[in-house]
This record gives sequence, C-alpha cells and structure tokens, in this order.
Amino acid sequence: DQQVKQNSPSLSVQEGRISILNCDYTNSMFDYFLWYKKYPAEGPTFLISISSIKDKNEDGRFTVFLNKSAKHLSLHIVPSQPGDSAVYFCAASDRQGGSEKLVFGKGTKLTVNP
Amino acid sequence: DTEVTQTPKHLVMGMTNKKSLKCEQHMGHRAMYWYKQKAKKPPELMFVYSYEKLSINESVPSRFSPECPNSSLLNLHLHALQPEDSALYLCASSQRTGEEQYFGPGTRLTVT
Repeated sequence: DQQVKQNSPSLSVQEGRISILNCDYTNSMFDYFLWYKKYPAEGPTFLISISSIKDKNEDGRFTVFLNKSAKHLSLHIVPSQPGDSAVYFCAASDRQGGSEKLVFGKGTKLTVNP
Repeated sequence: DTEVTQTPKHLVMGMTNKKSLKCEQHMGHRAMYWYKQKAKKPPELMFVYSYEKLSINESVPSRFSPECPNSSLLNLHLHALQPEDSALYLCASSQRTGEEQYFGPGTRLTVT
C-alpha cells in the first residue's frame, strides 16, 4: 500500500518557467512533509519541508503548498533552471505520533530544458 | 554544516567477503539511518538508530549488521552478500527521529 504517491514519473519544463511537482498521500496521520532532490549516483538533498499547521512554506525559488483536505502537496520552482534537473522525492512523517520513519514517494524526474 | 560523509565511495566484493561501510556526521544529530536504493526507486529504509540504540530493523537479512559505536559514527557490516544486494547504500542523520534527514553521498556496492 503506497502511502505517498507521486503520479508523474517525469516532467519537462522550459528554463525560466515554473515547475510544479505534485504529491498525494493517504495517511491522515502524516503531519510533516518534505521534498528531496537527487542527482544520479548521489544522496538525496533536503530541499524544503512543511508542517501540517501551515499551508505554504517558501525558500527562495522553492515553495511548497499543502492542501490537507485533499491530502495533496506540491513543490513549485520558479524560475526553473537547468541545474534543477534531477529526481524529486516527496516524503512524509507522522511526527506527532512519534514515527521514526520518513515514507517516500517513488519520485518525479524533472528535466529543465535550456 | 549539514555534511554526512560515507566511505568508501565504491565497493566491489565477492559473495564470501566481509566488508564494512562507514558513515560519519558531526552535526550533533542523535538519529542515524541506513537506506538501500536501487536504480529508479526511492530510498528503502533498512535500520534506524536513535541515541545510539537500534530502534528499527526493517526485517533486513542478517548478512547486513549495523553498528553505532558512538553518536557520530554508524557502520554497516556486510557478510556473505548476494548479487541482488548490489545497490547504492545511503546513510542519513537527523536531529531526532521524524525530523528532516540529511543524506550522505552513498556507497555504490557491487556484489560479484
């Protein structure tokens, strides 16, 4: 049973435009959400997180939006740059419940074309 | 400083060998993790250490043996591995469990 779903395996965007990466979750106990970026043959890099008490968190070009009622979050990258080309993983955790794990989605491969 | 280091970067081992993977962090994090990642898949949790004690073993075969000698170090001892164990092994750490995790660069393991 996949608790965190990234339904788009890939996304292609033009440089300078907005990239929107989507993530859905099924476990209503999740209260903390994260996005990671991964280049081939490297470890994932933490990008941004959001707690369930917020609906938006912004850090430079990256903004994460959380819609709790829809159990949906999205990562916006504006403007997109070729160096943003990577696999993006959404992850979730039940922090209030004391969970020690992050549950990862399967990832979306973003390609930003010059 | 959000650096987690892992050695070696690459490792090739035979099915009868014994080897160890090492991970180190100096961020004062009290939770450390081992993950396994296959190509085009998300990281798969293997073990969680919290305050130097093993708190989660995700039913990992005994040919993988974790060790946490102190709060900064995490080892993964390997013995009698199978070719299907070939993967990228990632170490991560976090302030506490459930917090954002910071990953090392990984060890690319090939079992021949």
